[in-house]
Order: sequence, then C-alpha cells, then structure tokens
Amino acid sequence: DGGITQSPKYLFRKEGQNVTLSCEQNLNHDAMYWYRQDPGQGLRLIYYSQIVNDFQKGDIAEGYSVSREKKESFPLTVTSAQKNPTAFYLCASKRQNNEKLFFGSGTQLSVL
Amino acid sequence: AQSVTQLDSQVPVFEEAPVELRCNYSSSVSVYLFWYVQYPNQGLQLLLKYLSGSTLVESINGFEAEFNKSQTSFHLRKPSVHISDTAEYFCAVSDWGAQKLVFGQGTRLTINP
Repeated sequence: DGGITQSPKYLFRKEGQNVTLSCEQNLNHDAMYWYRQDPGQGLRLIYYSQIVNDFQKGDIAEGYSVSREKKESFPLTVTSAQKNPTAFYLCASKRQNNEKLFFGSGTQLSVL
Repeated sequence: AQSVTQLDSQVPVFEEAPVELRCNYSSSVSVYLFWYVQYPNQGLQLLLKYLSGSTLVESINGFEAEFNKSQTSFHLRKPSVHISDTAEYFCAVSDWGAQKLVFGQGTRLTINP
C-alpha cells in the first residue's frame, strides 16, 4: 500500500537532548511538510520541502531542523533549543502542482 | 499571507441533527479552500475542497461546504450527523500556487446519542 509512514508513534525526550522524527513516503510525491499540532491551536507549519536537497522554513521553524537527501524521506530533528517540544507532529506530502495533502498518522513527542 | 479562523472550538450535537461548522478566511489573493477531518489518534484526511467553478462542493459522506467570496467564508454543513462523524475538523486555505496550506484552529464535533 502506498502511503506516509511516521515513526515512532510515541517519543520521549530528555532535557537537552536532540531527537529525530522519521517520515517516509512511497507515493513519489515531490513536496513534503512537517506540521506541529497543539490543542486549540490547529496545525502550524514547521518546515517544508518542494524538491530534494531544498527546504524552507515555515511559521515556527525555531528549534527544529530538517534534511531532504532523498525524495522519499524528510526527517525532522527537534533540538534542545526547542523549549516546548511536547506536541503531536504530523508529516504530509503532495504532488507538485496538486493541492491535496496526504498525512501520516503522527508522532506524539513528550518531555521527560 | 492567508489566515483562517474557525469560530467554534467545540460543537456538540445530537445524532441525526443538522450541523454547521464555521470557517472564515483572510487573503489578499485568490485562494483554494479545504476541509480536512482528523479521527482520534490519526493524521488528517481531505474531506472536500473548493478550487473553482461551483461554489457548493460535496463529500462522499454527506458533508457539503459553500464558498462565499463576499463573506470570505467556507462553512461546512451536514443535514443529519452520525456517531461516526465524531472527529476534529480543520478548515484550510492556500493560494493558487498551493505550495503551503494554512490551517484553522480546528473544531471538535461531538455527537451525542
């Protein structure tokens, strides 16, 4: 089945630690996105990438980093600079020049 | 830049009652409009979209939304809800380039038997 796979489903971060969330898609989509979801705030865009080896900051990029070395993969690193990382993180992808976003099932990140 | 406001954070209704989830947007350019649905502990799924043409768009499970340019609204409606419609609903907007979607805060729809 084609789709977007996010792992792990649950992740715990210790103070001062960097953690990486995985996002893989086998839909052959060009564009990939990371959103953060907090209760009552909807989804906020962290980073997005329209093509391999290129990415842009979204609205809340501080404290996060990404890479896009392969078309199918767009990992997100939550760095120690992100002081409030507890949230539900959603990865999404879409074809270029197509408006429909496909979402993964999310990763819940919590701070120990 | 675009923005989206969903006026209700929670909407409780009884089963088989009608429901309307409100969405207003702001943009200086022409837009595409979307409703996404999120079931518990899952990602989002596209429910319906307005790109152009008829201002009334429908989903396969009985929801409909109407694009009203003068009121900058895209309210979601269903004439009779079911327990299975319990979910969080997100309105979203993008410009015609559709490179980024901006989401509203979400409306949690709760169906009571």
